Amino acid sequence: GAVVSQHPSRVICKSGTSVKIECRSLDFQATTMFWYRQFPKQSLMLMATSNEGSKATYEQGVEKDKFLINHASLTLSTLTVTSAHPEDSSFYICSARVIQEDQPQHFGDGTRLSIL
Amino acid sequence: EDQVTQSPEALRLQEGESSSLNCSYTVSGLRGLFWYRQDPGKGPEFLFTLYSAGEEKEKERLKATLTKKESFLHITAPKPEDSATYLCAVPQYRSWGKLQFGAGTQVVVTP
Repeated sequence: GAVVSQHPSRVICKSGTSVKIECRSLDFQATTMFWYRQFPKQSLMLMATSNEGSKATYEQGVEKDKFLINHASLTLSTLTVTSAHPEDSSFYICSARVIQEDQPQHFGDGTRLSIL
Repeated sequence: EDQVTQSPEALRLQEGESSSLNCSYTVSGLRGLFWYRQDPGKGPEFLFTLYSAGEEKEKERLKATLTKKESFLHITAPKPEDSATYLCAVPQYRSWGKLQFGAGTQVVVTP
């Protein structure tokens, strides 16, 4: 149980392109999903908290107009990297948590984004 | 400010050579601590949740323990398939959902 699917697993595109990443909880409902960014040999850095039916909450230093988050249903959140540039190249990972507060987050397998 | 520190940064073990990883934390009112395993190019895989000091949990060759200031992940008689980066994380103050991750310990087990 508690499977999170993330798609696509890898994206290579030109500078200026917008890229959408999907995160789905397959066998449970998630009112809250989280988006992380991970640089090589570093730990996960929380970018934003995605709340179903309301606006996302962004961490300090994360541009909300650059990283658009939509959480339209209890099983789907999307992250759109708008007008991506090479410095946006990174490993993006989403997670979801069942509604009970003390339950762990379950992670997708990540999206490797490479901007040329 | 909440802090999570893992040590060592890297650990190289011979198959069968048991060892322990450390996760020390400074948080206001710890409500739980999570251990994850991350393979290269993958998202973290959940291993354990520990809720209170003195609690222990086991899964195959892994055993996690928790004190008031730190947690240990013991790897008993590791196999090459135990090679991974092990991450610990604690919920941030007043936000059970937001996790503060340690930098991880990269474990390599050689045959």
